Amino acid sequence: EAQVTQNPRYLITVTGKKLTVTCSQNMNHEYMSWYRQDPGLGLRQIYYSMNVEVTDKGDVPEGYKVSRKEKRNFPLILESPSPNQTSLYFCASSRLGQGITEAFFGQGTRLTVV
Amino acid sequence: AQSVTQLGSHVSVSEGALVLLRCNYSSSVPPYLFWYVQYPNQGLQLLLKYTTGATLVKGINGFEAEFKKSETSFHLTKPSAHMSDAAEYFCAVRGAGGTSYGKLTFGQGTILTVHP
Repeated sequence: EAQVTQNPRYLITVTGKKLTVTCSQNMNHEYMSWYRQDPGLGLRQIYYSMNVEVTDKGDVPEGYKVSRKEKRNFPLILESPSPNQTSLYFCASSRLGQGITEAFFGQGTRLTVV
Repeated sequence: AQSVTQLGSHVSVSEGALVLLRCNYSSSVPPYLFWYVQYPNQGLQLLLKYTTGATLVKGINGFEAEFKKSETSFHLTKPSAHMSDAAEYFCAVRGAGGTSYGKLTFGQGTILTVHP
């Protein structure tokens, strides 16, 4: 089954404690991205990757890091989380090239930073 | 740059009534357009998409949307609302080239409430 898998689904942490949210896709997609969802703001892109070892900032990258060492994985790293990073996070993947298709989304990670 | 505006953060309809969710976009290149639905505590599910060809596209659960280039709109409709349609709906645009290539930009979302 084609899917994007995020872990964990729920996470409560304290300010400053480094954390990683994992994302994996099994569709051999080139493009992967992270979004955060906040009420009234829709989904905003944090970082994206167009292929292995190719990553770039999205619209709200401050306080986040990513890596793309393998095509299927795209972890999101918060080196020093702060309360304003409390949000719902989604990982997405999609194919690039001819016949652009839709993005597939993970189930989301609800992060609370206290 | 590309952007999406959804008119109305909340829409309330009666069961059986017409559903109309509005979406306007801007894009410097020919756009690909999408509607996604999010049910409580779930991820985003694709409702329908416009890439090329027919401007009236049909999606799942009886939804459809019409791409109107002259109005830069992609409104979502359903003739008869069902209680199970209650969810948040997102319109999104994806660039076919340029600096937005591959990037999905979302509107603010519209919460649809369906009353018995």
